[in-house]
Amino acid sequence: NAGVTQTPKFRVLKTGQSMTLLCAQDMNHEYMYWYRQDPGMGLRLIHYSVGEGTTAKGEVPDGYNVSRLKKQNFLLGLESAAPSQTSVYFCASSILWPAQNTGELFFGEGSRLTVL
Amino acid sequence: ELKVEQNPLFLSMQEGKNYTIYCNYSTTSDRLYWYRQDPGKSLESLFVLLSNGAVKQEGRLMASLDTKARLSTLHITAAVHDLSATYFCAVLRNTGTASKLTFGTGTRLQVTL
Repeated sequence: NAGVTQTPKFRVLKTGQSMTLLCAQDMNHEYMYWYRQDPGMGLRLIHYSVGEGTTAKGEVPDGYNVSRLKKQNFLLGLESAAPSQTSVYFCASSILWPAQNTGELFFGEGSRLTVL
Repeated sequence: ELKVEQNPLFLSMQEGKNYTIYCNYSTTSDRLYWYRQDPGKSLESLFVLLSNGAVKQEGRLMASLDTKARLSTLHITAAVHDLSATYFCAVLRNTGTASKLTFGTGTRLQVTL
């Protein structure tokens, strides 16, 4: 019962370093999302994907890149980390939008990133 | 642009009391969700509200949806300490090419003994 798995769970970076967060889901979901959560701001959508090989920008995409080479994986990259990217990052997945489905998102446990 | 507002942002209540959390959103939506988040943890789905007038109940929590007023409420009955958490509402819109979920800022609920 893995569901949505994120790695790493914690990471500390220096300004200018790069890193990749990995999200893996075993539910065969089409949709995958990356959100960031900051105090007092709820969750904000960074990028999302509606299927293998596709990606699209969300509300706050600047400074991030994503790739969905395999259906089960969604990678979030920071090419040159900045202190403003200190946050908790959540990955989520959901089934493709059919009329009768609830469209519920299933979330990973989060990745806490600190940029010094 | 879809905006989702919750109030209050912070709620401290005594055990045994009732209270309501409000979620307003700015444009028509397809679905509305309530999530719970414990400190340092992920989000847990509580309710999915699919249509106008929908009401869902689980234990001491009851959620309702009024799509005409663009308002959802989460009512807490006879609060207990275990309900202490942050509660988020989220609104789903189907844009035709994708479904996107927009979250409210969350309501941090603290239930005191």
